[in-house]
Amino acid sequence: GAGVSQSPRYKVAKRGQDVALRCDPISGHVSLFWYQQALGQGPEFLTYFQNEAQLDKSGLPSDRFFAERPEGSVSTLKIQRTQQEDSAVYLCASSLASGGYNEQFFGPGTRLTVL
Amino acid sequence: DAKTTQPPSMDCAEGRAANLPCNHSTISGNEYVYWYRQIHSQGPQYIIHGLKNNETNEMASLIITEDRKSSTLILPHATLRDTAVYYCIVGYDYKLSFGAGTTVTVRA
Repeated sequence: GAGVSQSPRYKVAKRGQDVALRCDPISGHVSLFWYQQALGQGPEFLTYFQNEAQLDKSGLPSDRFFAERPEGSVSTLKIQRTQQEDSAVYLCASSLASGGYNEQFFGPGTRLTVL
Repeated sequence: DAKTTQPPSMDCAEGRAANLPCNHSTISGNEYVYWYRQIHSQGPQYIIHGLKNNETNEMASLIITEDRKSSTLILPHATLRDTAVYYCIVGYDYKLSFGAGTTVTVRA
């Protein structure tokens, strides 16, 4: 079956540009997560959605980062005025249920390079 | 603060069992132990999780010590495709804290 997909797979931006990264979760999955993975490090949590509600955005590094999931399915992570330190792989994950722990299914990620 | 401690790397021979240790001495009573792995250029993949009892599935076995302060992930017959970074994670909800993991290299 179809897994989590992300687009684009690679994005190069000039410093100061805005970028939008898309995530298509597994159909029917209630929960959606975004993670940031710097080179050589493990993924770090950014934000969590339950359907269309953003319940946790504690990991977003600055107010330049914004995520939405308006219809409870596709999600977009937007980064405004990109900086070089934003260069990383951005991973999206979804899980079937909400509350407590449920297995998270990850997409392949979007590699963002800010020049 | 890191909740788990893993060796940075380890090698194992193809066809042999791979035993991956993880220390989590500050684990709380309601926290689970999860294992994920990440093959190069892919997103992390769930392997297994447990609370107190040992667990086994088609991919691996998880052995948790009685005091729950450490655990071991066992890949029974490692293949070249098992080469990956393995993450031991402790928690009770959706927020996974991955840490640096153990880079496992399976050699022919």
